[in-house]
Parts: sequence; structure tokens; C-alpha cells
Amino acid sequence: AQSVAQPEDQVNVAEGNPLTVKCTYSVSGNPYLFWYVQYPNRGLQFLLKYITGDNLVKGSYGFEAEFNKSQTSFHLKKPSALVSDSALYFCAVLTDSWGKLQFGAGTQVVVTP
Amino acid sequence: DADVTQTPRNRITKTGKRIMLECSQTKGHDRMYWYRQDPGLGLRLIYYSFDVKDINKGEISDGYSVSRQAQAKFSLSLESAIPNQTALYFCATGGLAGGDTQYFGPGTRLTVL
Repeated sequence: AQSVAQPEDQVNVAEGNPLTVKCTYSVSGNPYLFWYVQYPNRGLQFLLKYITGDNLVKGSYGFEAEFNKSQTSFHLKKPSALVSDSALYFCAVLTDSWGKLQFGAGTQVVVTP
Repeated sequence: DADVTQTPRNRITKTGKRIMLECSQTKGHDRMYWYRQDPGLGLRLIYYSFDVKDINKGEISDGYSVSRQAQAKFSLSLESAIPNQTALYFCATGGLAGGDTQYFGPGTRLTVL
């Protein structure tokens, strides 16, 4: 079965430092991977996705993610975190051709001034 | 988020009551989804629909039903609400291609007392 795992419940980082949110996947075949962000009292907002092509995917708000097939990982990164990046981040994998997504448990990011 | 709307945004109800959550979208997508979010569990799929004649059960459909009234409208019902259905509910829409991004509504916070 297709699945993703987010090994960290929470990531703490100081403003201006690099931010990394980890995601590993388990799929048969080629994975379609997504990152979403949920700000307080808001719905999920799409950040970026990997379908095929370059392993480094650039997305919204200065985020990027690196697809690593050998390590089955799709970590989300931002070179310099902002306090406004504090939110809940979800990694997801497409599980079938009908568009169903399997989400990770989420990682809470806390950026301190 | 404005392309996918959900009503109500918040609802408190009592055990045994029937509740309907509504979702509308202006993105013109054929596919619509209902998810619930619980802390530490990520998002789990309840039902999904590919057009008005196609309704499919997701991972956790027991205790829920849905209706696809039109391409743009997809409602979720709890026939007899119970406390463990207290959660944040999200509607999402997506295109027909397998890797198409899903777009989420702002969510409905449901509390069952």
C-alpha cells in the first residue's frame, strides 16, 4: 500500500535559519508526492508537488522539496525561515489513478523570532 | 480557498442529531472529496465522487453518507452524530489527471456533545 511518514511531530527553528520538514514514502511504482500547509483556522494550501522530472521542486512562499528515490524521501526545505511559516505541514502521496491522497500525520513547525 | 467553500464553518450538535455539511466549488472540477482531520492522524478520506452519478467510499465511510447534487456541490451527512465524529472536516476538489492538485476548502469544525 502507498503511504507516507512524517517522523517529526514538531520542528523548532529560529527565524532566519534553514527549515527542513522530513517526509519518507513507500509506494509501488513511481510516486506522485505533495506538500500542503495549514495555517491556524485555515484550510490546507498547496505548496508543491513532484510528478516527474527534476528532483528539486520549487513551490510557493519560497519553499522547495527534494525528491530522493534511493532514500525514498521528499523533504520540504526553506533556506531562511520566517515567523509566519509557523504552521502545520502535511506530506501526501497519490495512492491510485482516481486521485486519492494518503496523508502523513503532519509536522508542526514553530519559528521563533 | 475562495474557490471551494464550506458551510457551516463551525457547528456544535448533540449525540443522535442529523447533520449536513455542504461544499461548493467554482473551479469546474469533476472530482470532489471529503476528508476528516484528527490530531496526530493527518487527513483521512471519507468519500469521493468523480461526477454526479459516481460516489465511492473512502477509508472511513462508516457513519457518513454523501450526496453529489451537481458538479459543483457535494454534501456530507452524519445520520446520527456521535462524539467520536468530533473533528475538522475538509472538502477538496481535483481535476481528472492522476497528478492533479487537490484544492481544499476552509474546513468545518464539528463538535458532537
